[in-house]
Amino acid sequence: AQKITQTQPGMFVQEKEAVTLDCTYDTSDPSYGLFWYKQPSSGEMIFLIYQGSYDQQNATEGRYSLNFQKARKSANLVISASQLGDSAMYFCAMRDMNRDDKIIFGKGTRLHILP
Amino acid sequence: GAGVSQSPSNKVTEKGKDVELRCDPISGHTALYWYRQSLGQGLEFLIYFQGNSAPDKSGLPSDRFSAERTGGSVSTLTIQRTQQEDSAVYLCASRPPRTGGNSPLHFGNGTRLTVT
Repeated sequence: AQKITQTQPGMFVQEKEAVTLDCTYDTSDPSYGLFWYKQPSSGEMIFLIYQGSYDQQNATEGRYSLNFQKARKSANLVISASQLGDSAMYFCAMRDMNRDDKIIFGKGTRLHILP
Repeated sequence: GAGVSQSPSNKVTEKGKDVELRCDPISGHTALYWYRQSLGQGLEFLIYFQGNSAPDKSGLPSDRFSAERTGGSVSTLTIQRTQQEDSAVYLCASRPPRTGGNSPLHFGNGTRLTVT
């Protein structure tokens, strides 16, 4: 069965430092996709970055990069040079391509950026 | 263009009443998803639609919950005989046709349901 695990309920990071948010997943399908979303206090869900299971390189989008370690089934989000506006909940999600289009989410990590 | 629209944005209901939550996806998006988010928690998968059919209803918490989608567009999530534990934000999201794995979900702003 699909499963997403985010083991860090909350994190405190000093502004301008880099931060890594952990995500591990479990699936028996060889074809899948991994997503990260940001949810500020306003409640909206903002798509950040995507990694496909067959992608050869780690995904990057501006200050966001995904540390994809397929053998370990981990897809950690790295935010470089953190900013106060990065304070939010962050969710990891997975989609199994070969099954239906079900997309499941982890429980999230609440990130606090300290000035 | 217009995003995913959910109504009502807030709903307060008495325990035991039925409620209907509506989701209007982005035009042309064939897949539609419902999630539930309790205060400060993660997103709990409820159900998703591909067109008008629901291949996976495994996330519906009980038989008090049902959902339908008509015309490949608007979806309604119905909760019968509401209980206090049903209080949460119900999020709807849609996705374009399966042109590639990387098409992300587009979320609505959610319906905050409070059962008193």
